[in-house]
Amino acid sequence: GQNIDQPTEMTATEGAIVQINCTYQTSGFNGLFWYQQHAGEAPTFLSYNVLDGLEEKGRFSSFLSRSKGYSYLLLKELQMKDSASYLCAVRDFSPGGANNLFFGTGTRLTVIP
Amino acid sequence: DAGITQSPRHKVTETGTPVTLRCHQTENHRYMYWYRQDPGHGLRLIHYSYGVKDTDKGEVSDGYSVSRSKTEDFLLTLESATSSQTSVYFCAISLGLAAMGEQFFGPGTRLTVL
Repeated sequence: GQNIDQPTEMTATEGAIVQINCTYQTSGFNGLFWYQQHAGEAPTFLSYNVLDGLEEKGRFSSFLSRSKGYSYLLLKELQMKDSASYLCAVRDFSPGGANNLFFGTGTRLTVIP
Repeated sequence: DAGITQSPRHKVTETGTPVTLRCHQTENHRYMYWYRQDPGHGLRLIHYSYGVKDTDKGEVSDGYSVSRSKTEDFLLTLESATSSQTSVYFCAISLGLAAMGEQFFGPGTRLTVL
């Protein structure tokens, strides 16, 4: 089975740094993804980790520790437009080679002035 | 934009009626997925496809069936809709070789079953 946990809500100030954590327990592991989802819209891909360590992409970074079943998404220089839900998803090995993802319930981030 | 469209975008129907949602992609991606998203549950996989006529169940497949008769279309059918199937449905495709790439999502279909 899959168990993916992340905080339900977070609030941070414009210009600050925020870290969104994700812990997982899965029967198989083939990578971890972070998605951003604005209210009423589709999720959009942010980052991908399959090896331990930090992946940096502009203001967004994602970290993975496979031994601890732990990841975080780091958002720097927060902007009002970063107010959204952030979804952690773990990929397993699926029949036919499909890229099946298991999602956490998401963290709703509110950025305040 | 990975060329994914979903139709209809909104639908209201009554309990017991059949409903079919369509996902269409224009870039010949092999892997396609149907998810539902509900408050408190996040995105959950309903069914997926790894090629024409090749489909398999996800974690919440009861009450749903799918078909993929050509690469570009992946249909999700609710044979007899129930109120518990009121949800937002997202289709997704996977990029890259052997499905190693990230998934891209369509705009979603909001379904209400009365």
